[in-house]
Parts: sequence; C-alpha cells; structure tokens
Amino acid sequence: GAVVSQHPSRVICKSGTSVKIECRSLDFQATTMFWYRQFPKQSLMLMATSNEGSKATYEQGVEKDKFLINHASLTLSTLTVTSAHPEDSSFYICSAGDTSNSPLHFGNGTRLTVT
Amino acid sequence: GENVEQHPSTLSVQEGDSAVIKCTYSDSASNYFPWYKQELGKRPQLIIDIRSNVGEKKDQRIAVTLNKTAKHFSLHITETQPEDSAVYFCAASNPNTGFQKLVFGTGTRLLVSP
Repeated sequence: GAVVSQHPSRVICKSGTSVKIECRSLDFQATTMFWYRQFPKQSLMLMATSNEGSKATYEQGVEKDKFLINHASLTLSTLTVTSAHPEDSSFYICSAGDTSNSPLHFGNGTRLTVT
Repeated sequence: GENVEQHPSTLSVQEGDSAVIKCTYSDSASNYFPWYKQELGKRPQLIIDIRSNVGEKKDQRIAVTLNKTAKHFSLHITETQPEDSAVYFCAASNPNTGFQKLVFGTGTRLLVSP
C-alpha cells in the first residue's frame, strides 16, 4: 500500500532558528500533499495543501512566510518552520494519497520542540 | 466551511463490550467520511471509510453507518480488545473543496479495560 515517510521524527531547536521537515511518498507519486499540525490532546488541523510545481495553498490563519512549503518533486514536500518560537512546538504530520480519489495515508509525524 | 463535531471525547469500556463514536457534519455537500485511529505519538491510521452512496460499511469488528439526511455518521467497534485503546478521529470532505482535504473531528479517547 501507499507509504508516506516523514523525517525527522523528533527535533529540538532553539528559538529563532529554522527547522525543515521532509515528507516523502515512497512507492507512489503525489501531486498533492497535506500538512497538519496537532497540539497535545487536540485534533489535526490542516495547515496547507502542498502542490507539486506550484505554490502551496494555506488555510486561514496560517502564515505562509513562517511555514514555507516546497513541493519540488512528485515524491517530496518540505515544510520549513522559520524563526521558530516556543508556541510553534507541536506535532507536524504530512499526508498524501496515491491518486486524487484515494484515502490519505499519513507520515510518522515530527515532534518539534522549540526551547 | 465544514465543521465536524465528535462525541464522546472519552469512552471507557470493558473488554468484549461494544463502543460507539458519533460524528456530525455541517456541509451537506460532504460525501466522504473516513475514520482514523491514532496511538500515542504515532501517525493516524485509516481504519475504515464510507462514501455517501452507501449507508453502512463493515470490516470484521468495525462498522460505520451514515445518515445523510441527519448529517451524522458513527463508528461501531464490537468485541473490543485492549489493543483497540487509542484516539479515534472522524473526518469529512466534499468534492467542492477537494476529496482529500479532510476536516477532522475533535477525537475520542477510547480506553478498553481488560
């Protein structure tokens, strides 16, 4: 089945630094990937839709200049949290489906801690 | 936009009992309703989904029912086992915003006691 890999699984960084998270579709091509954020004991909130070869579409309230998304190939999307602050600490998860009508499969998630 | 509500937020059952989790959605155009299971610190995993052209779908101990008129859908787990303990999320999407653009419910923490 469709496998989505995410790296790193855990990262700790200092306030003000940037962190890049990678999301890869291992056995399929994904023209669209989705980035979610999940705070402890809360639901998954969609941050943005990553589109291969074009700009990402951000959800209302998500700062595009802070959460940079690049989807340069059909198997890789990256999320860069720029100038991270402690309030950015969260669980970030990507997802993709192997076709536009197939269910989503999620990556392992990245737990970001900003000190 | 779509709004998905989920109840209960926590559910404790004894092993062997049934568990039912309910969700309601607001957008009548939504037509795809997956359920995900998430264990602590891990990725959500799809356990079952249903599309609006059917009213019920079953996979072994798991079933989902959909009432389009009332705009609600439910997850039923029979003969629960301790390994069923996890957080369960319902979600909805509609073709107008994108089949894969899911709006999630708030989650239900299921605890199955031996």
